[in-house]
Amino acid sequence: QVQLQESGPGLVKPSETLSLTCAVSNYSISSGYYWGWIRQPPGKGLEWIGSIYHSGSTYYNPSLKSRVTISLDTSKNQFSVKLSSVTAADTAVYYCARDYTVGSTDFGYWGQGTLVTVSS
Amino acid sequence: QSALTQPASVSGSPGQSITISCTGTSSDVGGYNYVSWYQQHPGKAPKLMIYDVSNRPSGVSDRFSGSKSGNTASLTISGLQAEDEADYYCSSYTSSSTLVVFGGGTKLTVL
Repeated sequence: QVQLQESGPGLVKPSETLSLTCAVSNYSISSGYYWGWIRQPPGKGLEWIGSIYHSGSTYYNPSLKSRVTISLDTSKNQFSVKLSSVTAADTAVYYCARDYTVGSTDFGYWGQGTLVTVSS
Repeated sequence: QSALTQPASVSGSPGQSITISCTGTSSDVGGYNYVSWYQQHPGKAPKLMIYDVSNRPSGVSDRFSGSKSGNTASLTISGLQAEDEADYYCSSYTSSSTLVVFGGGTKLTVL
């Protein structure tokens, strides 16, 4: 079964760039499916950040589009998200996920999540 | 403000059935059969419970069912159990510039 694991700094300073990586096991990210990032501020709901298709096509939440970049690293079988010019409002648990059915938007496999705090 | 509208909370007693609604527009819920439902326990990652409106992933109890009418999708949990107490989120594909939209979440309390 596919497994996902997020990694990256737990603390980022305001105005800097948040960078997270999702390592994927038991499935090649270049073989198919959407690979996505979702975040959840403390005590709040889920927010889709963006997704990348195995071909490299990207889709972003319009509210974050000017600050976010999602990319694939097929050599390491991982994908990443970068969010620039962060503020305290970007403090959240960040999840990486893969869709359950090919080419869909149902996230069937999730990482455990990683808390990123934006603070000086 | 979330793109999809869910009630903030619902409750039910063990053994009862409850339904959670998820209202969108013709650009998302109403226009496509790509509605998903997630269960999230505190401190845990969300778990996919329903996809494509009414399909259950393998391993998900048949007490969970999904449906859709017009721009509103629904998740029904029958035979409520204590372990069903959690937050539930709907999501949908959308033809707008956003690929995916989530609902604001519903807290289910089992009395």
